[in-house]
Amino acid sequence: SQQGEEDPQALSIQEGENATMNCSYKTSINNLQWYRQNSGRGLVHLILIRSNEREKHSGRLRVTLDTSKKSSSLLITASRAADTASYFCATDGNYGQNFVFGPGTRLSVLP
Amino acid sequence: DTAVSQTPKYLVTQMGNDKSIKCEQNLGHDTMYWYKQDSKKFLKIMFSYNNKELIINETVPNRFSPKSPDKAHLNLHINSLELGDSAVYFCASEGQNTEAFFGQGTRLTVV
Repeated sequence: SQQGEEDPQALSIQEGENATMNCSYKTSINNLQWYRQNSGRGLVHLILIRSNEREKHSGRLRVTLDTSKKSSSLLITASRAADTASYFCATDGNYGQNFVFGPGTRLSVLP
Repeated sequence: DTAVSQTPKYLVTQMGNDKSIKCEQNLGHDTMYWYKQDSKKFLKIMFSYNNKELIINETVPNRFSPKSPDKAHLNLHINSLELGDSAVYFCASEGQNTEAFFGQGTRLTVV
């Protein structure tokens, strides 16, 4: 079964609005990463948050991690049309498990 | 019912050997990818194929050769394996206007 599960599966917002995506996982992790995938372009690494961190910022991105709830959220502020992409979380298990990706959230930012 | 399946899941082999990792998707997607997970646990794209045609070929040693016999398969062949090739390799597929789906990864160990 999938370790990381994002929700919502699809999200449409207007330019300038904030977008929040959530990721839940099942087992203990070392770290959690968020990636963006533009269609046909492959993954772009956005941010990594370690299991002992609670929040991390990078530009317009804010990631939170709640290990007690086994969940993470990715907030994109002041969204732009160029943010339109699929966003994935991936978790790295404590026991050497491979990264496992969730199904992704498809974000559409409308001009 | 696995959407993207990679085989084998684990591969231990000696330096100098030639090995292949297979990837198959049953989603009818046109695009498939190979990624390598680096030492910092980030995924880096290696190759992308669209309808059996090579689209993205990042800077990887030419010992790595992808082969796409049909749209549902993208295999990764590695010649003359080196210690530095040890990593986890991920296959993914993507349809038009859909997010990507990832395989479970292949942990390659070169000894």
